[in-house]
Amino acid sequence: GQQVMQIPQYQHVQEGEDFTTYCNSSTTLSNIQWYKQRPGGHPVFLIQLVKSGEVKKQKRLTFQFGEAKKNSSLHITATQTTDVGTYFCAGPYNQGGKLIFGQGTELSVKP
Amino acid sequence: KAGVTQTPRYLIKTRGQQVTLSCSPISGHRSVSWYQQTPGQGLQFLFEYFSETQRNKGNFPGRFSGRQFSNSRSEMNVSTLELGDSALYLCASTFSGQSYGYTFGSGTRLTVV
Repeated sequence: GQQVMQIPQYQHVQEGEDFTTYCNSSTTLSNIQWYKQRPGGHPVFLIQLVKSGEVKKQKRLTFQFGEAKKNSSLHITATQTTDVGTYFCAGPYNQGGKLIFGQGTELSVKP
Repeated sequence: KAGVTQTPRYLIKTRGQQVTLSCSPISGHRSVSWYQQTPGQGLQFLFEYFSETQRNKGNFPGRFSGRQFSNSRSEMNVSTLELGDSALYLCASTFSGQSYGYTFGSGTRLTVV
């Protein structure tokens, strides 16, 4: 079945360092979504990418969707302690409402 | 506007019992999905309901079931609870499907003892 793989599983950085998480799908995606889950919280929608090669920015966060629409990345510039949490990518399984999540990348930031 | 509301927030049950969890989506959202989250398995898709119909189902045993009402509120039921069912159960709503961002509820933390 369709899989969404995400690496790395964990990332520990010093505050101010950059961070990148990568997402790969076994099939072409119509869109890819990114979510953030703070410790003890629930996933919160960050952004959706739809177009091949699309790049979107939210302040220090840069999201990319690959040309083949099978991979995506999230890059955080100059991490802050508020960036701590687990970042998930998610892609649709079919035309219905089934959204498959990657395993997530847990980011910890040392002040 | 009000977010996705899940009740109860915490639940402790004994093996063999059954449990029903409730989810009220954002007003106007017709699609409700349920996920099981555990430390080792991440977010596992349980099922998705749209307009009172189960549109998608994950790879969970038949002990896991759900339904959606005409007002889009959804319930999920787990019968004959097992220790391995201990998890955070998350409900997410969206307008009509996975072309829109999901809004998650705070979840129900189920502990089976």
